[in-house]
Amino acid sequence: EPEVTQTPSHQVTQMGQEVILRCVPISNHLYFYWYRQILGQKVEFLVSFYNNEISEKSEIFDDQFSVERPDGSNFTLKIRSTKLEDSAMYFCASSVDLTRGVEAFFGQGTRLTVV
Amino acid sequence: EDKVVQSPLSLVVHEGDTVTLNCSYEVTNFRSLLWYKQEKKAPTFLFMLTSSGIEKKSGRLSSILDKKELSSILNITATQTGDSAIYLCALDNYGQNFVFGPGTRLSVLP
Repeated sequence: EPEVTQTPSHQVTQMGQEVILRCVPISNHLYFYWYRQILGQKVEFLVSFYNNEISEKSEIFDDQFSVERPDGSNFTLKIRSTKLEDSAMYFCASSVDLTRGVEAFFGQGTRLTVV
Repeated sequence: EDKVVQSPLSLVVHEGDTVTLNCSYEVTNFRSLLWYKQEKKAPTFLFMLTSSGIEKKSGRLSSILDKKELSSILNITATQTGDSAIYLCALDNYGQNFVFGPGTRLSVLP
């Protein structure tokens, strides 16, 4: 069964460092998302991406964050100059076509720990 | 601002019990409501509801939407320890994302 894959599963980084979280969405999906979940809190939307550009982003997704689809398969989230409060589980998701109202499939997440 | 509220936030039951989880929402433009189950990591898709009054069923799980009351319930009958998880309700509001509720943490004791 096709699935969204994320790497690494766990990343520890020092405050101020840059991290890149990687995702391979399901191959025929067109919409890609990043969500995050701080421990014990709810899943929060960061950004959605369609047709090689950001289609929507939340207030959390400030200049510290960027997304890219460097090739036909990978979808990355870059966090520049990480802060302690960036520690969270980051989920990538993809859907076939959000315009028709379909479910998103989530990857297993990357647990980011900033020390 | 669109909002999703879930109740209870936490629930402890014994195997064999039936549970009902609630989700209510405020939204400007409703397209669908989705239920996800989150165990250790990724939310996994359970149901998508678009029309009022039509029950969706999968094994011991079922869900129904009430657009008049702006709410949905997720029922789990004959619970098992494997049902222990956080159950997330999410709203598709025609935006480019989903709005998630805080989740209901269900613990099923043997």
